[in-house]
Amino acid sequence: EIVLTQSPGTLSLSPGERGTLSCRASQSVSSSYLAWYQQKPGQAPRLLIYGASSRATGIPDRFSGSGSGTDFTLTISRLEPEDLAVYYCQQYGSSLTWTFGQGTKVEIK
Amino acid sequence: QVQLVQSGAEVKKPGASVKVSCKASGYTFTSYAISWVRQAPGQGLEWMGWISAYNGNTNYVQKLQGRVTMTTDTSTSTAYMELRSLRSDDTAVYYCAREFGWYFDLWGRGTLVTVSS
Repeated sequence: EIVLTQSPGTLSLSPGERGTLSCRASQSVSSSYLAWYQQKPGQAPRLLIYGASSRATGIPDRFSGSGSGTDFTLTISRLEPEDLAVYYCQQYGSSLTWTFGQGTKVEIK
Repeated sequence: QVQLVQSGAEVKKPGASVKVSCKASGYTFTSYAISWVRQAPGQGLEWMGWISAYNGNTNYVQKLQGRVTMTTDTSTSTAYMELRSLRSDDTAVYYCAREFGWYFDLWGRGTLVTVSS
């Protein structure tokens, strides 16, 4: 089973700052199978990025994804106050299984 | 409106069972699969299993094998997740999510299941 490890655990940023969130896989993951989700307090998760770098419908262009193999990154180019959330990476594994990383909490300074 | 509407919160005693529903609307139910994901208080997301709304095929995470059953009713466009022999560590918010490709593009708002004596 592939394990996804996210870092940092918490990221504290000021509005307008750039944030970089990391997701490292224990084995190589196809980029097609890597997604990022945003979960705001008290809400269900929302798909942000799929295929490692494609934004989902309605997602602002300040969010971008990159990476390949075992190292993937979610970048928030200019943090907005509404970006306060926990961000999870997710991978599709073999035989119809999925796993999530443990999440990175983004705090607003 | 494309949405997944889940049933309301439940309180159960240890050893009991719970069945959570997830009603789809605004899209062709049988064209997508549904996954169930749970989140214990203050914790991360845990994928529980998958069911094809087309043919009812399922796949469950190994740790829940034997305690969980996922079903669908295509006549009402509703997916169900039943969890048996409940324990205190099953206390969580349970989400249904539509699978699109290899991702979950539509989520229900969640159902809180509390297991307490």
